Amino acid sequence: ETGVTQTPRHLVMGMTNKKSLKCEQHLGHNAMYWYKQSAKKPLELMFVYSLEERVENNSVPSRFSPECPNSSHLFLHLHTLQPEDSALYLCASSQGHDVPSGELFFGEGSRLTVL
Amino acid sequence: GQNIDQPTEMTATEGAIVQINCTYQTSGFNGLFWYQQHAGEAPTFLSYNVLDGLEEKGRFSSFLSRSKGYSYLLLKELQMKDSASYLCAVMDSNYQLIWGAGTKLIIKP
Repeated sequence: ETGVTQTPRHLVMGMTNKKSLKCEQHLGHNAMYWYKQSAKKPLELMFVYSLEERVENNSVPSRFSPECPNSSHLFLHLHTLQPEDSALYLCASSQGHDVPSGELFFGEGSRLTVL
Repeated sequence: GQNIDQPTEMTATEGAIVQINCTYQTSGFNGLFWYQQHAGEAPTFLSYNVLDGLEEKGRFSSFLSRSKGYSYLLLKELQMKDSASYLCAVMDSNYQLIWGAGTKLIIKP
């Protein structure tokens, strides 16, 4: 098992669909993250969970809804998305969300296309 | 506001040396990270600098000057597999990671 696994790897959805992205980490980490990666732009932090509690919500539209049922799993529920939401969504984990030297371990991402 | 600047794209020749610069303006400083991301793959950690100076790790080295708000990643003996994007990120005083847009490095034979 790789460290951080994301499914699906690719997703195409219409603006009225409801879908979910899933992330699973096998590293025993306490913090998990959702990032949005668009071409030629910096990574945008969307949500952070530490010990299953949300600690960051960076003004993300309500059409994105995170869920963290336990420290190993993280979901991103998608509803009535817009074409500008098309991007690579990266999940990451770390030992703690406020450890200066703590590196992030990323999954390979879910490539989302909204039609 | 907080800002990380790095070149959008660089080209280098196999076997050569390349230096990728990163300048930053952040609210506080708790360390600087470099990540490598191959096309279609996950970013992977390369280095972490919190004190001034050079950290060497095999063919890759990372330098930090906190007074200048400046870092660079040095890649020696370039190989074709080094073609990737290199992401610079700074952890601010709130332990938030501020990311640059990445530098796409193209290696030519």
